[in-house]
Amino acid sequence: GNSVTQMEGPVTLSEEAFLTINCTYTATGYPSLFWYVQYPGEGLQLLLKATKADDKGSNKGFEATYRKETTSFHLEKGSVQVSDSAVYFCALIPGGSYIPTFGRGTSLIVHP
Amino acid sequence: DTEVTQTPKHLVMGMTNKKSLKCEQHMGHRAMYWYKQKAKKPPELMFVYSYEKLSINESVPSRFSPECPNSSLLNLHLHALQPEDSALYLCASSPGQWQGGYGYTFGSGTRLTVV
Repeated sequence: GNSVTQMEGPVTLSEEAFLTINCTYTATGYPSLFWYVQYPGEGLQLLLKATKADDKGSNKGFEATYRKETTSFHLEKGSVQVSDSAVYFCALIPGGSYIPTFGRGTSLIVHP
Repeated sequence: DTEVTQTPKHLVMGMTNKKSLKCEQHMGHRAMYWYKQKAKKPPELMFVYSYEKLSINESVPSRFSPECPNSSLLNLHLHALQPEDSALYLCASSPGQWQGGYGYTFGSGTRLTVV
């Protein structure tokens, strides 16, 4: 079956620190990969995506590279801000489908 | 318009009440979804509508009844809910049934409390 494994949070960082949130997946075929962000009290927002191997998705200073050889899609940001505090969900949609499988979510807390 | 709008934002209802959640999108998306999200958990799929027809029902209790009056609107009718149904209910849309690579657009959700 399909599954997404994310690192357990919370991840606590100081402002301007480097961020990595790990995500690995198991899927048949060639899935599309996504990162969603959920700010407190809100719904999920699509942060970035990649649809094939070696693609790099990027948005708002965040980036993630689709690594088929390691089945990973780690989220990175060079310098986090307090406003990045949120829950981050990694997700995949298998090829030929339209229903995502979500990871457990990783909470990020950024202190001034 | 690149938004999914959900109303109301907050709802408190008794176990004998009947209420409805509403969702609207004007992006021309042909697939719409209801998700339930408990605190500190990922969203759980409840229903999928594709081209205004119910495509997936994830074994949701009959006290939840979805409706898709047209391609822009999605409703979730609630009746005789239990306290454990208290959660954030999210609506989402995507371009189409076989276009998963685009990702979803989510609404901000309805925070439901059953008392």
